[in-house]
Amino acid sequence: KAGVTQTPRYLIKTRGQQVTLSCSPISGHRSVSWYQQTPGQGLQFLFEYFSETQRNKGNFPGRFSGRQFSNSRSEMNVSTLELGDSALYLCASSLGQGFLETQYFGPGTRLLVL
Amino acid sequence: EDQVTQSPEALRLQEGESSSLNCSYTVSGLRGLFWYRQDPGKGPEFLFTLYSAGEEKEKERLKATLTKKESFLHITAPKPEDSATYLCAVQANQAGTALIFGKGTTLSVSS
Repeated sequence: KAGVTQTPRYLIKTRGQQVTLSCSPISGHRSVSWYQQTPGQGLQFLFEYFSETQRNKGNFPGRFSGRQFSNSRSEMNVSTLELGDSALYLCASSLGQGFLETQYFGPGTRLLVL
Repeated sequence: EDQVTQSPEALRLQEGESSSLNCSYTVSGLRGLFWYRQDPGKGPEFLFTLYSAGEEKEKERLKATLTKKESFLHITAPKPEDSATYLCAVQANQAGTALIFGKGTTLSVSS
């Protein structure tokens, strides 16, 4: 079974631009979560989608948004990029939406904001 | 505020030298604790889920245990291929299904 895939793997943007990252979950998985990983803060939860609805949201500004499509694929968007948005963005998928569902991570998209 | 702390930040071992990594947590109602392994340039790889105090799980040279305040990841006779960053994460009542991660322990095993 193919794992979680994320595109693109690397991205360079400049301040003020916007960016869209894509995530394809493991086949059959319906829940997708997004995390930001930085050396200083570690992994931090952004949001979770299940059945095309945002079910949970972390403590990030409104510039960070996401959506999920009917085939469970998900995208996240960051508008008006800031230098501090440089990070590894990780997508994780799980079979369902309940507690204790194992979240399987993709390889991430590394975003560099100049 | 829900919080997860891992120690030590870094650990260097000789091949065959067993040790333990610590994950302590302060959360409002623990639902579960997860261990992941992350290699450089890759996403975290799932290792274990622990649900309740007293539970233990094993996989090859790794054994995870859980108490009411902390979890340990015991590494027995490690090999160089065990070198990675080990991440601990919890799910808590107030945070829903979001994983709350510690900063990780970076393990280096030399031959």
